[in-house]
Amino acid sequence: QVQLVESGGGVVQPGRSLRLSCAASGFTFSAFAMHWVRQAPGEGLEWLADISSDGTRKYYAASLKGRFTISRDNSRSMLFLRMDGLRPDDTAVYYCAKDASWTFDHWGQGTLVTVSS
Amino acid sequence: QSVVTQPPSASGTPGQRITISCSGSSSNIGSNTVNWFQHLPETAPKLLIYDNNQRPSGVPDRFSVSKSGTSAYLAISGLQSEDEADYYCATWDDSLKGWVFGGGTTLTVL
Repeated sequence: QVQLVESGGGVVQPGRSLRLSCAASGFTFSAFAMHWVRQAPGEGLEWLADISSDGTRKYYAASLKGRFTISRDNSRSMLFLRMDGLRPDDTAVYYCAKDASWTFDHWGQGTLVTVSS
Repeated sequence: QSVVTQPPSASGTPGQRITISCSGSSSNIGSNTVNWFQHLPETAPKLLIYDNNQRPSGVPDRFSVSKSGTSAYLAISGLQSEDEADYYCATWDDSLKGWVFGGGTTLTVL
């Protein structure tokens, strides 16, 4: 069955960087686009970025203003999110999700990122 | 403030039918398919409805959707206590060139 396991979250100081990982299994990772979505405390879901199956096309939410970078390693079935210039309002649970032709059909359990001094 | 709006809360009693709305614009709901997700605290969000009205295997037919112009609606019939969760609509926005989620609706089964 499809499994998505995020890791790399933790407590980080404002202005620092962090890289999140998402380990995928149970499907042909290289055949599907992937997404990152987050949920800040008490808030709703917010789409952040997606990447095509071959990694050549990437889309980002305008609100990120170029601070985040999505990437993937199909040889290891891994998805990544590099986050730079972290701010307190980036505090959230970060989810990776598998694309399925205009939907997100499987999600991970999420990893918590806390930005605080 | 999301470009797609949902009521923050909804409630019903067991067995009742409730509807959750999702309102957007011509650049999102008006021109693209709408997805619905169910989210319980501390768990992974779950795809409930995709491609306007398709249910993944395992999702009961108590869940259905409709769409009219720039609004979409999730209906849950035969409400059960296990339906207590947050519900989100999501769609692609042609102007923003990105996915947009509604703010979410917390459903309480009284």
